[in-house]
Amino acid sequence: AQSVTQLDSHVSVSEGTPVLLRCNYSSSYSPSLFWYVQHPNKGLQLLLKYTSAATLVKGINGFEAEFKKSETSFHLTKPSAHMSDAAEYFCVVSRLSGGYQKVTFGTGTKLQVIP
Amino acid sequence: DGGITQSPKYLFRKEGQNVTLSCEQNLNHDAMYWYRQDPGQGLRLIYYSQIVNDFQKGDIAEGYSVSREKKESFPLTVTSAQKNPTAFYLCASRTSGGETQYFGPGTRLLVL
Repeated sequence: AQSVTQLDSHVSVSEGTPVLLRCNYSSSYSPSLFWYVQHPNKGLQLLLKYTSAATLVKGINGFEAEFKKSETSFHLTKPSAHMSDAAEYFCVVSRLSGGYQKVTFGTGTKLQVIP
Repeated sequence: DGGITQSPKYLFRKEGQNVTLSCEQNLNHDAMYWYRQDPGQGLRLIYYSQIVNDFQKGDIAEGYSVSREKKESFPLTVTSAQKNPTAFYLCASRTSGGETQYFGPGTRLLVL
């Protein structure tokens, strides 16, 4: 069984300040973890993914996430928020077995960036 | 350009009408997915297909149907049995050995 919890439905930051979006997961196996970003009325775009290599994962647009097995967390961070970062972010847990994928999406965190 | 296209961007359905949402990919991906997105609920899986001529129900398949006659195409039909179809519909695909899903731009379905 697997699940994912995004701890904040809304996060508001000032432009130029750090961003922290929190994600906790549960999985009976070693999961792969993803962060996607979605701008209004658009599809999901991959930000970064963890697939059991380095625990600190760097993604696009200055985002990074750290896989912490002991805390079952995969929080997304960015040192300095930009207005264009305002969007909804989804944490995703995935398991691939025999070619079949079980994927579970979090409920999303809306990031507001205040000028 | 390689990618996933969905059409139309907006679709209006009348009571008792079936409508079909298009999803096409030129990424040569084997697996394709349909998700429904409602505010505050994340994405929920409707149907998926691992390979041509094969598809499986997801978590909320009732009132929907699909076909997979070609590798690059995975259309979704919203039938009149789906009583609450208003939502944003997303199509995705991935390679058979990979875990990353790539998403189309979505179709918003509204009921008249």
